[in-house]
Amino acid sequence: AQSVTQPDIHITVSEGASLELRCNYSYGATPYLFWYVQSPGQGLQLLLKYFSGDTLVQGIKGFEAEFKRSQSSFNLRKPSVHWSDAAEYFCAVGPRGGSYIPTFGRGTSLIVHP
Amino acid sequence: ETGVTQTPRHLVMGMTNKKSLKCEQHLGHNAMYWYKQSAKKPLELMFVYSLEERVENNSVPSRFSPECPNSSHLFLHLHTLQPEDSALYLCASSQEEGREAFFGQGTRLTVV
Repeated sequence: AQSVTQPDIHITVSEGASLELRCNYSYGATPYLFWYVQSPGQGLQLLLKYFSGDTLVQGIKGFEAEFKRSQSSFNLRKPSVHWSDAAEYFCAVGPRGGSYIPTFGRGTSLIVHP
Repeated sequence: ETGVTQTPRHLVMGMTNKKSLKCEQHLGHNAMYWYKQSAKKPLELMFVYSLEERVENNSVPSRFSPECPNSSHLFLHLHTLQPEDSALYLCASSQEEGREAFFGQGTRLTVV
């Protein structure tokens, strides 16, 4: 069965600092990979996705993520965090082929200090 | 108009009430999902419909009853809920053979 691990429940950074949120997955083959962001009381918004090709993917709001097959990781990064980036971030994996049912990690809460 | 719309946004109901949550997607997707999001818990997949047929039911109590009359609409009928059912209920949709799910803004349900 596929699984997703986000080892950090909370991350605190200062505004303007760089950010990296960790995500590790367990799956028999390379799955589809996603990062979502959720603001308080809202639904999840897709930040970026990896299907194939270049292992460094660019997303919205200045985020990027790098797929590392050898480490089964898909970490999310941003070079300079803004106060508006404070939110909950979810990593997800989806199986290749057949009906798409994603598995989500538990989420990482990002706190941004001024 | 957003891709996935959920109504109502907020709902307070008593344990003996019957209510329904509605989800509508305007993206032409073939699969729709109900998720439950409780505080300090992972996102829980409740139901999946693909081409209007239920393909996944993760042992959800019978007090939750889904309905998918067509590929654009999904309902979650609620009856005799418990206080622990209070949560944010999220609807999502995706292409049958697609890759990413698009979420609605959720319904914040409080059971009193």
